[in-house]
Amino acid sequence: KNEVEQSPQNLTAQEGEFITINCSYSVGISALHWLQQHPGGGIVSLFMLSSGKKKHGRLIATINIQEKHSSLHITASHPRDSAVYICAVRSGTSYGKLTFGQGTILTVHP
Amino acid sequence: SQTIHQWPATLVQPVGSPLSLECTVEGTSNPNLYWYRQAAGRGLQLLFYSVGIGQISSEVPQNLSASRPQDRQFILSSKKLLLSDSGFYLCAWSVFPRRGGKELFFGSGTQLSVL
Repeated sequence: KNEVEQSPQNLTAQEGEFITINCSYSVGISALHWLQQHPGGGIVSLFMLSSGKKKHGRLIATINIQEKHSSLHITASHPRDSAVYICAVRSGTSYGKLTFGQGTILTVHP
Repeated sequence: SQTIHQWPATLVQPVGSPLSLECTVEGTSNPNLYWYRQAAGRGLQLLFYSVGIGQISSEVPQNLSASRPQDRQFILSSKKLLLSDSGFYLCAWSVFPRRGGKELFFGSGTQLSVL
């Protein structure tokens, strides 16, 4: 069993739909990241969470430390949101030593 | 502003040939630097990280090595490439997080195909 599990692996939505991507992890962590990888391969860090909830534009990320679970929500989805969304957890003090989930491939159709 | 440069973007190399991928960071000093690999159909994996010049830590045994000859330069190398070295290689950097700042920054990546 992987230390970081994401679901679903693939997600197809129509423009405007509310989207949720889930991430569960099995180790104690100090922080959790949500990353976005576009088709060209470039990766952008969306959120870093250690508790509670963060919001940036149409994106919302939540984390429940007790349940070892995080969710990424996209409101009013748009085709430009199509990308791979990756959950990663940090259990040490070095800020780049992350364990990654397999990613969720999101496709939003117009 | 801080930027990270990684090159080349794509590379096709024969088995047994050497490899050198370079990553440089601008606009910051004493960053932590990282090399990640994403094999086809698999998630990202940390290969090396460095907290300072000449300081390299390896996360997984492999055919690759890393060096940090300057504060903002990180190099990934191999003396003889294997087929299994094919993948997407990403350089990243971080500093201790500031309030409201993003913690980890990625380069644009190098797609390596070993034939």
